[in-house]
Amino acid sequence: GAVVSQHPSWVICKSGTSVKIECRSLDFQATTMFWYRQFPKQSLMLMATSNEGSKATYEQGVEKDKFLINHASLTLSTLTVTSAHPEDSSFYICSARGQGNWGYTFGSGTRLTVV
Amino acid sequence: DAKTTQPPSMDCAEGRAANLPCNHSTISGNEYVYWYRQIHSQGPQYIIHGLKNNETNEMASLIITEDRKSSTLILPHATLRDTAVYYCIVRVARLGNEKLTFGTGTRLTIIP
Repeated sequence: GAVVSQHPSWVICKSGTSVKIECRSLDFQATTMFWYRQFPKQSLMLMATSNEGSKATYEQGVEKDKFLINHASLTLSTLTVTSAHPEDSSFYICSARGQGNWGYTFGSGTRLTVV
Repeated sequence: DAKTTQPPSMDCAEGRAANLPCNHSTISGNEYVYWYRQIHSQGPQYIIHGLKNNETNEMASLIITEDRKSSTLILPHATLRDTAVYYCIVRVARLGNEKLTFGTGTRLTIIP
């Protein structure tokens, strides 16, 4: 079945630094990828949608200059949290859909802690 | 976008069928219903999806009412590993605006 690999699974960084999270589709080409954020005891909140080779579409309230998304190939999307602050600490999850396929596969998530 | 309403929590005895309801009264004719579950600190796991007909796979069954305003996910023989938060999602699929929007979900606890 479709597999999405997300790396790292957890990261701790200092306030003011940037962190990059990778999301790879291992056995299919991901035409569209999605990035979510989840705070403790809350549901997943969609941050942005990206299509390969295009600029990401951000949800209302999500700062595109702070959360940089790159979807340069059909198997890789990255989310960079720039100038991270403690309030950015959260569980970040990616999801991918293949071309012509309406199934959505999720990565295992990245727990970001900013200290 | 069609929203979904689910009970916040449910308990089910191990070995019994777990029936999780979902209301989606504003669903449009071309919108699918998806079910995912999330075990603590993991990414969501796909369970099943459907449009108007009932669906069954190795994990669960999905019953969609004729008017499509509600659905029920059935786990036929619940085990302790089925304890998770279950999300019922209506998939928006407009050109240029495709996304899965998660609601608050149902926290299902399987009781030994």
